[in-house]
Amino acid sequence: ETGVTQSPTHLIKTRGQQVTLRCSSQSGHNTVSWYQQALGQGPQFIFQYYREEENGRGNFPPRFSGLQFPNYSSELNVNALELDDSALYLCASSFPGDNEQFFGPGTRLTVL
Amino acid sequence: SQQGEEDPQALSIQEGENATMNCSYKTSINNLQWYRQNSGRGLVHLILIRSNEREKHSGRLRVTLDTSKKSSSLLITASRAADTASYFCATVLVLNNNNDMRFGAGTRLTVKP
Repeated sequence: ETGVTQSPTHLIKTRGQQVTLRCSSQSGHNTVSWYQQALGQGPQFIFQYYREEENGRGNFPPRFSGLQFPNYSSELNVNALELDDSALYLCASSFPGDNEQFFGPGTRLTVL
Repeated sequence: SQQGEEDPQALSIQEGENATMNCSYKTSINNLQWYRQNSGRGLVHLILIRSNEREKHSGRLRVTLDTSKKSSSLLITASRAADTASYFCATVLVLNNNNDMRFGAGTRLTVKP
């Protein structure tokens, strides 16, 4: 059984650019959630994907979008990057329902 | 807001002492979970307590949940330097298979050797 993996580990972009972050879910998990964690804060829920469809969204603008693929891996896309988008982006996989989530190590995004 | 809020924001204790962290929230939940995070890395699940449970134990961890007060506590007994980390509570409300999990800002625990 493999754990949740994320790529890349670190990324530096400039304002206005676009970024794609990737996540491979733990074997058998069909639900993936994405979180943004600013420095010194708790993770903030961005959205969740279940069976390739968005299944819940937090308070993030439309320039945050995602995809889930048939193998349950997922992408987070952010367009028109802003300085405040600098954060640790975490992905977590789980079974649907109220089970624990398994987190990846995160992608540290810096926007200059 | 469903989001949990931890108290205190930071806690510093000596090795061997107990550490207690509290979490309060505002809405109904299906369960509440505690996670640990080391230095900006991924979160590690510690324990899950369902809304119909009042207390749960896992090794040196003890979690309580009071749904009437909308609060939970995490007790770490006989702390070790390796317990130094940030601890987050997360409230979960399940709607249409959507596992809506909301985190608080966390408690930063420092255990001095």
